[in-house]
Amino acid sequence: DSGVTQTPKHLITATGQRVTLRCSPRSGDLSVYWYQQSLDQGLQFLIQYYNGEERAKGNILERFSAQQFPDLHSELNLSSLELGDSALYFCASSVAMADYGYTFGSGTRLTVV
Amino acid sequence: QQQVKQSPQSLIVQKGGISIINCAYENTAFDYFPWYQQFPGKGPALLIAIRPDVSEKKEGRFTISFNKSAKQFSLHIMDSQPGDSATYFCAASRSFGNEKLTFGTGTRLTIIP
Repeated sequence: DSGVTQTPKHLITATGQRVTLRCSPRSGDLSVYWYQQSLDQGLQFLIQYYNGEERAKGNILERFSAQQFPDLHSELNLSSLELGDSALYFCASSVAMADYGYTFGSGTRLTVV
Repeated sequence: QQQVKQSPQSLIVQKGGISIINCAYENTAFDYFPWYQQFPGKGPALLIAIRPDVSEKKEGRFTISFNKSAKQFSLHIMDSQPGDSATYFCAASRSFGNEKLTFGTGTRLTIIP
């Protein structure tokens, strides 16, 4: 167990629907990062939050949004889902100025049918 | 300028041999270079990381070699074991890992008896 908890582990939903992925960071970690992993594009950075505030944005679609709550857990909302959104979505956390990098969760496998 | 190029895409090594995976980066502002190991169904896990002020870092059977002038770094796995069979990702970031990681495309390593 890495200490980063992601739920649900698997999600199957239909095109056009909306889903919410949840992430609880490792205790003490203030930063949360979301990554999308698909077969053809590797690990793509979506968005970073630090202590509740958006810190950096990557190639995140407008249909996707995220937030980090006061208890530091984060949610990634995916709406108007398309077949191409099927992927593994990973959350990672880190503490500021640490030398041990990120800790990743086990991911949520999203399948859009 | 944000790319990290990784090779080879896949690698088969005999048990006891040396596995070598290479990465090259473009952005000279990168100052943190980790390697992640990912097993099927799991999130990436930090294996070893290096900063550009050293040319080599060794942890057990794993060694990172870093060439700042060539903007290249590599992972060497000595005495490769079947349990090392996994996908390996190189990555890079700025601010000593406190910003988003830019990942290579991954190398699927298979160790055969």
